[in-house]
Parts: sequence; C-alpha cells; structure tokens
Amino acid sequence: QLVLTQSPSASASLGASVNLTCTLSSEHSTYPIAWHQQQPGKGPRYLMKVNTDGSYNKPDGIPDRFSGSISGPERYLTISSLQSEDEADYYCQTWATGILVFGGGTKLTVL
Amino acid sequence: QVHLLESGPGLVKPSETLSLTCTVSGGSIRNYYWSWIRQPAGKGLEWVGRVYTSGSTNYNPAFNSRVTMSLDTSNNQFSLSMTSVTAADTAVYFCAGDYGDNEIDFWGQGILVTVSS
Repeated sequence: QLVLTQSPSASASLGASVNLTCTLSSEHSTYPIAWHQQQPGKGPRYLMKVNTDGSYNKPDGIPDRFSGSISGPERYLTISSLQSEDEADYYCQTWATGILVFGGGTKLTVL
Repeated sequence: QVHLLESGPGLVKPSETLSLTCTVSGGSIRNYYWSWIRQPAGKGLEWVGRVYTSGSTNYNPAFNSRVTMSLDTSNNQFSLSMTSVTAADTAVYFCAGDYGDNEIDFWGQGILVTVSS
C-alpha cells in the first residue's frame, strides 16, 4: 500500500532553516512527490515537485528559500531564512495508477 | 492563471446526497485533470477522486462507490456527487487541478460542508 509518513510537528526559529521529511513506503521508495503548503485558514498552495533524481521544480512565485531533495525513501522540503508566514501545515503528495495520496501533514511552528 | 471556485449547499442532511460544483476560470477545463480533496476540521487532506478530460474517472476506494464526478465543458465546471452522507463526511471540500503529471498544481479556496439534521 502506498503510504506517505510525515512527523506531526516541527519547529524552528525565525531566520533559521528547517528540513521537513516525508517518507515513502518501502515498495514505493523511488516515487516522486509534491509538497503543498497550507497557511492557517487558507486553502493549500502547491510548492514544488521533487523528482526521483533529487531535482525539484517549482511554479512561478515560490521563493528561492524553498527547496527539495531526496535520500532513499525520504523526501525533504528545506525552508531557509524562516519567516513568520512560513508557519503553516505542509503536506506531501504522490500518486500511483491514477490514485493520489497525501501524507498526514507536518505543522511547522516558527519560534 | 487558473482560478477555481467551489459552490454548493453548506448543509446536507444525513443519508442525503452532497453535490458540489467547481467553476474554472483563466483556463479551459479541457486542458487539465480535476480532483476533489477534502479536509475534516483539524485533520489532514484526503483525496476523493479525479476526472480526466475524456470524462473518465478514478475514485478513492475508501468511498465505496458513493462518489461520482463529471465535467461540464460548456460551462467550464466540474462536479462532485456523494451519496448516503453521514456526519463523517463533514469537511472542507477543495477542488483542484493538475496538468496531467499527477501533482496537484492549483487549488480552490474550499467550501465547508456540514452533514447534520
């Protein structure tokens, strides 16, 4: 079964960097994923796609502070120079045979 | 830039049918694939299903055939119908789209649907 696992919460200080992790189920460890941000009270926003070779693609308007990477079954979202507006829920998303799957989300607190 | 707007009743009675519409502006509905995704209060995102430009569909197996999605190309809209709703179906429902490469590229603002008598 295709499963994405995320830590429920993370925190980091204003101006610092943070890595959020999304782990793919073992039999799907080579899959690409997408990251989405959901600020409080808002709908989600697409941040980027992290490809199987570790590259990532962002839509226009996503700051350079947001980047992606991979290591084995883990997919990372790195946010540098944290700002107050980065305090949000972050979801990873993937797909297989036409079915879309979301991780449980990580709530990021900016201290 | 594609903009999505959900519409429909905010209150549905148990055992009845939930019906929502998503209006697409800034692009043709024929150029993308369309999904419905929901979020119960305080919880994560759950994919409901997807409708393709051909009108074919894929649904989350968790909904056990309660769900139907369709396109209305003449009005640039797509819709969700969910039968036999219960309180567990109370959630914010988002419509969303992608370019066909499976990651969701854009989202609506969401609409709260409450199931209650």
